[in-house]
Parts: sequence; structure tokens; C-alpha cells
Amino acid sequence: TQLLEQSPQFLSIQEGENLTVYCNSSSVFSSLQWYRQEPGEGPVLLVTVVTGGEVKKLKRLTFQFGDARKDSSLHITAAQTGDTGLYLCAGVFGTARQLTFGSGTQLTVLP
Amino acid sequence: GAVVSQHPSRVICKSGTSVKIECRSLDFQATTMFWYRQFPKQSLMLMATSNEGSKATYEQGVEKDKFLINHASLTLSTLTVTSAHPEDSSFYICSARVLTGGYNTIYFGEGSWLTVV
Repeated sequence: TQLLEQSPQFLSIQEGENLTVYCNSSSVFSSLQWYRQEPGEGPVLLVTVVTGGEVKKLKRLTFQFGDARKDSSLHITAAQTGDTGLYLCAGVFGTARQLTFGSGTQLTVLP
Repeated sequence: GAVVSQHPSRVICKSGTSVKIECRSLDFQATTMFWYRQFPKQSLMLMATSNEGSKATYEQGVEKDKFLINHASLTLSTLTVTSAHPEDSSFYICSARVLTGGYNTIYFGEGSWLTVV
């Protein structure tokens, strides 16, 4: 069973601060996805990374995929209160058809 | 991105009754859909993989006779919670897999809140 560790589990910061969320595994991902979920709604896809070393930017969000494709990070610059939510990383291992989810990071950005 | 729609978004049912939740892929065909359960502020727990035209594959610990999954068409999967009990109250989410650019992308429905009273 492949495990996917996500950290931190909870994060509370002030508006304007930067933060990084990490996602790690001992196995190689064939692809990895980051989602953001608000209470009572389904997760919304933010980005998919597939190439080792890949960096993708989505406004103030920067996603990195490790060279070995075993880890990924999400960096948010100058967090805003609207960034509050549950951030989930999810990876596909090998030829598996389903996603394996990390434990999630509950981010709270305080005004 | 692809659109996945779930219905109903909220449902309240009496203990002992059954309730059906639908998951539709609106603009693509999905041979594989997934059903998850989620508790507040926790990650998603995969319940089963729904395969069009064949039996669902259940994760360990998930009762297949209690959580009936039917994937009769390429755009619709249903989850029926049979003989529901208060402990079945939860947020249920479906997703569908789309092959994009050579890799799989998963899109989620909006989720369905089930409250069993």
C-alpha cells in the first residue's frame, strides 16, 4: 500500500504571510494533483504535475514536483483570507486507476 | 475542466430507509467513477471504484451490501445507502477519471450531505 504524507495538517497564519505545504511518498508518482476544498463542497482541482522537477504557477500559488517524482510542494505567497480551505494532494502510483490522498492541510488565513 | 455533478446536494432520511445519490459526468464519458466518504476537516476516504458495466470494487472495510453502487451508463453512477443509520451520516463525494494528455485527471462532484435521523 502506497502512503502519501502531507504536512502540516493544520496551519493558521496572518494575511500577507507565506506558507508551504508538503506532500511526500516513498514511492514514485506517475502524476500528482493538488486540490482545494471548501466546507460542504467537492474538491476543486488546482493543478496536475507529471514531470520530475516541474514547477507550475497559478497566480500566488507555486507548485513544485520533485525531481524523483516522490514529493511535491505548494507554496502560497502573500496569503489572503480567501485562501482558507482544505488543501489536498493526491497521487497516482504506477498504473493505478485511483488517487491516493494525503491527509489534507486545513489552512486558515486570519485577517 | 470536466464537469461532474452530484444530486442531491443534501438529503435527510429516516433511520432504516434507503437513499440514492447520483453522480453524473456532464460533458464526457466516464468508464470509471469513484465514491468517497469524508468527515469534517478530514481527507477523503475511498469507498469504492465504480466500473461501467461491471461490479464495483470496494475498499477494505466497506460493506458492499450496504453501499450499493450501480454504473449502468458511461455518464451515471449511483450510490445507494441501504438501511441507513445515523452513523452513516456523512459527506459523500464522487469523482470521475478523465484521460488527458496521456495521464489521468480526477474531477470531483459537489458532494452530497447525508443526514440520517
